[in-house]
Amino acid sequence: QVQLVQSGAEVKKPGASVKISCKASGYTFTSHWMHWVRQAPGQGLEWMGIINPTGSSTTYAQKFQGRVTLTRDTSTSTDYMELSSLRSEDTAFYYCARDNSIAADGTWWFDPWGQGTLVTVSS
Amino acid sequence: SSELTQDPAVSVALGQTVRITCQGDSLRTYSATWYQQKPGQAPILVIYGKNNRPSGIPDRFSGSNSGNTASLTITGTQAEDEADYFCNSRDSSISHLGWVFGGGTKLTVL
Repeated sequence: QVQLVQSGAEVKKPGASVKISCKASGYTFTSHWMHWVRQAPGQGLEWMGIINPTGSSTTYAQKFQGRVTLTRDTSTSTDYMELSSLRSEDTAFYYCARDNSIAADGTWWFDPWGQGTLVTVSS
Repeated sequence: SSELTQDPAVSVALGQTVRITCQGDSLRTYSATWYQQKPGQAPILVIYGKNNRPSGIPDRFSGSNSGNTASLTITGTQAEDEADYFCNSRDSSISHLGWVFGGGTKLTVL
């Protein structure tokens, strides 16, 4: 079955960086883009960025420009999200989610989602 | 960037019908997608496109779009439908290529 499995929880100090992995299985990895979304405790979902199937192109939300880097390793079907200059407000669950689309219809959807990775930023 | 607006909370009696709405300029151009999230779990897809349900989602869930408003309707709401629901669409801002989520609606089943 199609599955996204993320790396485990992280605890980081302010100013540090974190790199989370998302390993895909059950489908052709290079046929789909991948989104990253975060959710602070008790809050809503926030789109962070997307990477294209070959890993050659990324688009980031303006809020995260300059701090987030998405990469992928097609040989291992794994996506990575690195967030730098961490601050307490970055404490959140981070999710990868596979992109699906019918562009002609103006329809995109995120499915499936990884299980989420909790990043805690604390001194 | 565009914004999507949802009511923070909605309640419904068991077995009744409830409509959860999502408003935003981007919905005039792009279809809304709906996700359900239960406590401690990742979101799951419930409705995408014009009104499509992924396999495993009961047919009591349906979606519609009109102008700048998208709606998720649950007909014959069950106790297990109690969850947070988020709408999502492509961002239609000229200056911003990306996606946007609504703030979420907490559905309580009475």
